[in-house]
Amino acid sequence: KQEVTQIPAALSVPEGENLVLNCSFTDSAIYNLQWFRQDPGKGLTSLLLIQSSQREQTSGRLNASLDKSSGRSTLYIAASQPGDSATYLCAVKAGKGSNYKLTFGKGTLLTVNP
Amino acid sequence: DAGITQSPRHKVTETGTPVTLRCHQTENHRYMYWYRQDPGHGLRLIHYSYGVKDTDKGEVSDGYSVSRSKTEDFLLTLESATSSQTSVYFCAISESVTSGLNEQFFGPGTRLTVL
Repeated sequence: KQEVTQIPAALSVPEGENLVLNCSFTDSAIYNLQWFRQDPGKGLTSLLLIQSSQREQTSGRLNASLDKSSGRSTLYIAASQPGDSATYLCAVKAGKGSNYKLTFGKGTLLTVNP
Repeated sequence: DAGITQSPRHKVTETGTPVTLRCHQTENHRYMYWYRQDPGHGLRLIHYSYGVKDTDKGEVSDGYSVSRSKTEDFLLTLESATSSQTSVYFCAISESVTSGLNEQFFGPGTRLTVL
């Protein structure tokens, strides 16, 4: 059974810092990995999707990497801003035989202090 | 934002009553999903649909049923609500599961409280 773990569960940083959020998964036979952002009381916003054949994806100040063989992904946020404060979730999509099911981690709560 | 709406956005009901949640999309995506989100458990898949009238169970499907009579609508029904079904319910859509268009997009959620 696929398990996704996100460390740390919570992170507090001063504005302007670069930071890394970690995601690990137990079964490396994934189809893709997706990073989401969730604001309190809101739905999930897709940030980046990395296909299993890719090593990284970038969008603005965000960079996500994927090391499928070691079962790890990182989300790098450059020059953090208070508006980046949210819960960040990673999710992996299993391949054939698992109905392409998406398995989520429990998230990292990020607080960026002005 | 992907065109996904959920209704109602908030609902309070009593144990034993039937409840139907609606997800509506304007993207014409083939795949639709229902998740629940609970503290300590994260997001878990309840049911999903891979086409009109084609549905399948997720990991926490007991006590829930779904229907999809049109591409744009996916209904989640709690036949007899229980307090353990108090949760936030999210609908999601994706265009494909095997191509590069398999990113999932989420609706705003429905907060359901069963007293």
